Amino acid sequence: AQSVTQLDSQVPVFEEAPVELRCNYSSSVSVYLFWYVQYPNQGLQLLLKYLSGSTLVKGINGFEAEFNKSQTSFHLRKPSVHISDTAEYFCAVRAIGSARQLTFGSGTQLTVLP
Amino acid sequence: GAGVSQSPRYKVTKRGQDVALRCDPISGHVSLYWYRQALGQGPEFLTYFNYEAQQDKSGLPNDRFSAERPEGSISTLTIQRTEQRDSAMYRCASSPSGREAETQYFGPGTRLLVL
Repeated sequence: AQSVTQLDSQVPVFEEAPVELRCNYSSSVSVYLFWYVQYPNQGLQLLLKYLSGSTLVKGINGFEAEFNKSQTSFHLRKPSVHISDTAEYFCAVRAIGSARQLTFGSGTQLTVLP
Repeated sequence: GAGVSQSPRYKVTKRGQDVALRCDPISGHVSLYWYRQALGQGPEFLTYFNYEAQQDKSGLPNDRFSAERPEGSISTLTIQRTEQRDSAMYRCASSPSGREAETQYFGPGTRLLVL
C-alpha cells in the first residue's frame, strides 16, 4: 500500500514570492508521482507528473517538482507566484504495476496575498 | 474537446433514499475511476473499470455501494439506503490507453448531501 503526506495544510505567501509545497510518500514498490491543482468549484487538473527519466519535472503555469528517491519526496516549487495560483494542491502516487488507482495526500491550500 | 462530465453537480437526499451518480468520460478513454473526497481530505479510490469490466472494487466501503459501466462508456455509481456519513464529493476520472494511460483526467464532481 502507498501513503502520501502533505505536511502543510495551508501556505500563505505574498505575490511574486517563491513557494514550495512539500510532499512525502511511502511505498514498498516503485511509484509514479503526480501533482494536481483544484481551483474553486472546478475539478482536479493535472499540473505535472513524474514517470521516469529526469528527476526535475516541469509542468503548467510555471510549476516544477523534483523527485528525490532517497528522501521519498516530490516537492512542488514555483519561483514567483501570482494571485491566480490561489488553489488547493494535491500530491498523488500510483504504484507501478497492476494497481491503477491514485493515492492522494490531504492537500495544501495555497493562498497568494497581494 | 469535451472533458469528463458528471451529473448531477449537486444532490441533496434524505437518509434511506437511493442515489445514482453519473459519469461521462472523455470520448475514447478506456479506463474510468471513481473516487470519494471528504471535506478537507484528498480523494480516496472507490473502484475502476477497463472498458465495461470492473477491475478493482476494493475501495467501495460496503455493499450499499455499486458501480457499473455496461457499454464501456458512461458509468453510474449507485448508493443504496444512503446514510449521513455518505455525504461527500464524488469524483470521476478517465484515462486513455497507450502512452498517456498513466494520466487521469477528472470531472467537476458531484457533491452529495444526505440529510
